[in-house]
Amino acid sequence: KNEVEQSPQNLTAQEGEFITINCSYSVGISALHWLQQHPGGGIVSLFMLSSGKKKHGRLIATINIQEKHSSLHITASHPRDSAVYICAGEYGGSQGNLIFGKGTKLSVKP
Amino acid sequence: SQTIHQWPATLVQPVGSPLSLECTVEGTSNPNLYWYRQAAGRGLQLLFYSVGIGQISSEVPQNLSASRPQDRQFILSSKKLLLSDSGFYLCAWSTSNQPQHFGDGTRLSIL
Repeated sequence: KNEVEQSPQNLTAQEGEFITINCSYSVGISALHWLQQHPGGGIVSLFMLSSGKKKHGRLIATINIQEKHSSLHITASHPRDSAVYICAGEYGGSQGNLIFGKGTKLSVKP
Repeated sequence: SQTIHQWPATLVQPVGSPLSLECTVEGTSNPNLYWYRQAAGRGLQLLFYSVGIGQISSEVPQNLSASRPQDRQFILSSKKLLLSDSGFYLCAWSTSNQPQHFGDGTRLSIL
């Protein structure tokens, strides 16, 4: 059974702190996605990666294929980063089916 | 540019009533289309996906159905809603090897 586990479930940080969210998956995936869900529910795709590391602004995503593990890092966190961050493993080839973690609710305090 | 429209944004329906949620995509051809649900306290779950007109695959058994009458239109339906159908429904599209793009979602409350 394909599973995606995220930790922590909830995370509170002070503005400026370095944040790490972790994601583990059970079997081989074709890609790993990090998504951001805003309080209203809208979802934005942050990263899609299958190896190595990607960086966009203050966000960094890494993946270790051997360990079946990915991390999302936020540097110099800001209250506007407060959101739910969701990890999803892509299985099933060209259909692009995603299996989602339960999300990490991040709250950054000023 | 590609955009995705999903409506309505919120919906309150009585138990046993029918449902129709619509999703349309602009600016791309032959996209893969997806319907997801996020139930209270749970993660997103794939309900249906479609790789072409009239081609629907269901991931979980339920009283919902999906249809794709046109290339860029994806409809989620039910003949009789259950209380357990409450949740946040998201439509998404993608093309091969590209990240999925999500709609704004529909918050469905069943009374």
